[in-house]
Amino acid sequence: DAGITQSPRHKVTETGTPVTLRCHQTENHRYMYWYRQDPGHGLRLIHYSYGVKDTDKGEVSDGYSVSRSKTEDFLLTLESATSSQTSVYFCAISRSSGSNHEQYFGPGTRLTVT
Amino acid sequence: RKEVEQDPGPFNVPEGATVAFNCTYSNSASQSFFWYRQDCRKEPKLLMSVYSSGNEDGRFTAQLNRASQYISLLIRDSKLSDSATYLCVVNIFSGGYNKLIFGAGTRLAVHP
Repeated sequence: DAGITQSPRHKVTETGTPVTLRCHQTENHRYMYWYRQDPGHGLRLIHYSYGVKDTDKGEVSDGYSVSRSKTEDFLLTLESATSSQTSVYFCAISRSSGSNHEQYFGPGTRLTVT
Repeated sequence: RKEVEQDPGPFNVPEGATVAFNCTYSNSASQSFFWYRQDCRKEPKLLMSVYSSGNEDGRFTAQLNRASQYISLLIRDSKLSDSATYLCVVNIFSGGYNKLIFGAGTRLAVHP
């Protein structure tokens, strides 16, 4: 158990509304990540963080922003949700002491944009 | 071409069978390799890292062939509880950070 929680676990929202997903970790890990998972695709990186206030884009960052004001929290915001952002969102941490850079995932948030 | 390719399956096998999954990756600069397991509607969980010399964990054996750029996972004596999707994952250092690239997964269904 990597001590990662995500909230909400399920959300249905309408097109055009802002949505914020929260990832919370209890083990003080430096690296945190947001992925989305869609049928037929592997997990795809949206944004990642390598420290408080240090974030960068992943491969599918358009339409998403992130913030990390505390080590334990990494927020993902959809400024104006679209139906193409219907997906399952996973947060992950990387234990920086691990030389292989393996990642550990939270339970996911299932988001539906109608 | 996808960076990490896997046969989506499903692989339907009886209990006790041996089943093997292969995965190919396109980036020769890949540095480390993993198999993750994902149950339906759950998060991916690390099954095992894959080392150049090959490694075994109980009924699971992982192999890496860098020259041919493929990774394999062998499951012996399959159990009903092995039913899941298995994700092949490679790590690449790119753009200043370590990046995990995920395959879309191979689905395994073990039946009585």
